[in-house]
Amino acid sequence: NAGVTQTPKFRILKIGQSMTLQCTQDMNHNYMYWYRQDPGMGLKLIYYSVGAGITDKGEVPNGYNVSRSTTEDFPLRLELAAPSQTSVYFCASSAIQGADEKLFFGSGTQLSVL
Amino acid sequence: DQQVKQNSPSLSVQEGRISILNCDYTNSMFDYFLWYKKYPAEGPTFLISISSIKDKNEDGRFTVFLNKSAKHLSLHIVPSQPGDSAVYFCAASEPGGSQGNLIFGKGTKLSVKP
Repeated sequence: NAGVTQTPKFRILKIGQSMTLQCTQDMNHNYMYWYRQDPGMGLKLIYYSVGAGITDKGEVPNGYNVSRSTTEDFPLRLELAAPSQTSVYFCASSAIQGADEKLFFGSGTQLSVL
Repeated sequence: DQQVKQNSPSLSVQEGRISILNCDYTNSMFDYFLWYKKYPAEGPTFLISISSIKDKNEDGRFTVFLNKSAKHLSLHIVPSQPGDSAVYFCAASEPGGSQGNLIFGKGTKLSVKP
C-alpha cells in the first residue's frame, strides 16, 4: 500500500545548490504531477506528465526540470536553488484524466533554501 | 488574481455540530469541483467532488452543494468529529482539463473541539 512515495521529507539547501526530489508511485498511474505549496497558499502546478517520456509545464515551472523515463518515477530537479523555492513540494499521480479523476498525493518534501 | 477563493482561513466548530466550509470561484468555465483534506505533514487526500450538472453530492457525513449562478460551493460536515480537524482545500477544473491542472484555493483550517 505504498501509493506515492516522496524522498527526502526535509532538506535544507544553500543558495545556488542543486538537488533532485524523488517521486515514485506503485499504482501504475500514467499521469503524474509536481505541486508546490507556499505558506498560506493553495497548491500550484509546476510540471506534469501524461506518460513515460512526455512532460509539460504547469503554472510555475521556472527554476525546475523534470523527466519521466519510467511509468513509476517522476523526479523534480532544482538547479541553482533560490530562496523563492522555499516551499513544500507534493508529487501526485492519477489513473485517468477528466471527470472522476482523483489525485493521489505523496506526503511532501519540505525544502528550505538559505 | 485568484480564481478559487476560500475567504475563511480558519473555522472552529464544536463536536457534533455542523461544519460549513465555503468556496467561491470566478471562472464560469469551471465544470468540476473537488474538496481535498490535508492533515499536517501529509499530502492532501481526495474527499468529495461535484460536477457542474449537479447541485448536490453526498458521501456519508460529507455533502457538497454547488450554486452555479452564485459561483459558490460549500462543504457540509455533519456531525463534525475531532478527526475532521484538518485543512480543507477547494479546487476546480475546466472542461476537458486534467485534475492535475486543478486550481486550488488557499484552504480553510477546520478545528473541531471535543
